[in-house]
Amino acid sequence: GNSVTQMEGPVTLSEEAFLTINCTYTATGYPSLFWYVQYPGEGLQLLLKATKADDKGSNKGFEATYRKETTSFHLEKGSVQVSDSAVYFCALSERDGFQKLVFGTGTRLLVSP
Amino acid sequence: GAGVSQSPSNKVTEKGKDVELRCDPISGHTALYWYRQRLGQGLEFLIYFQGNSAPDKSGLPSDRFSAERTGESVSTLTIQRTQQEDSAVYLCASSPGLGDGNTIYFGEGSWLTVV
Repeated sequence: GNSVTQMEGPVTLSEEAFLTINCTYTATGYPSLFWYVQYPGEGLQLLLKATKADDKGSNKGFEATYRKETTSFHLEKGSVQVSDSAVYFCALSERDGFQKLVFGTGTRLLVSP
Repeated sequence: GAGVSQSPSNKVTEKGKDVELRCDPISGHTALYWYRQRLGQGLEFLIYFQGNSAPDKSGLPSDRFSAERTGESVSTLTIQRTQQEDSAVYLCASSPGLGDGNTIYFGEGSWLTVV
């Protein structure tokens, strides 16, 4: 079946450091890919998405590119802030008549001043 | 409401008891989803509703789990005869429709602990 694998955390960085959170997927067909973020005390929020190969999703300084050849959707940000501390989930959408999201296990990011 | 609302936010129950988890989706959202996240695992899809109808219940872990939705609004996830392996965060989400162009909005979850 379809699956998503992302790097284990926590990822600990200093403010203004470069961030990469790796995500790879296994899927039949051509799923849409997503990054969701969960800030402390809040629900999951969509951070960015890409619906086809070579698409780049971006939001709040975060970027991820849909790489079909490497089945990857790595999340990057050039300069993290303390407010970026959260849990980040990579996900794909199986088009099964509805958006059935398949999630990775989440990666906790801790950014210190 | 402004967002997806879930209650209770935390529930501790004894093994063998029944629990009900409630979800209030965003007003006007026709699609509603339930997911579960057990400790150290990714989110696991349970069931979805289009309107009041749940076309596919195969994601429910066992026949102890059931869900319903009324008035194309509130949904209840019921777990009968709870077991310790049911301990998890139960997340509800909603979207305006089912298609890929619809953003899915999640609630904060109901933390269930079975002791």
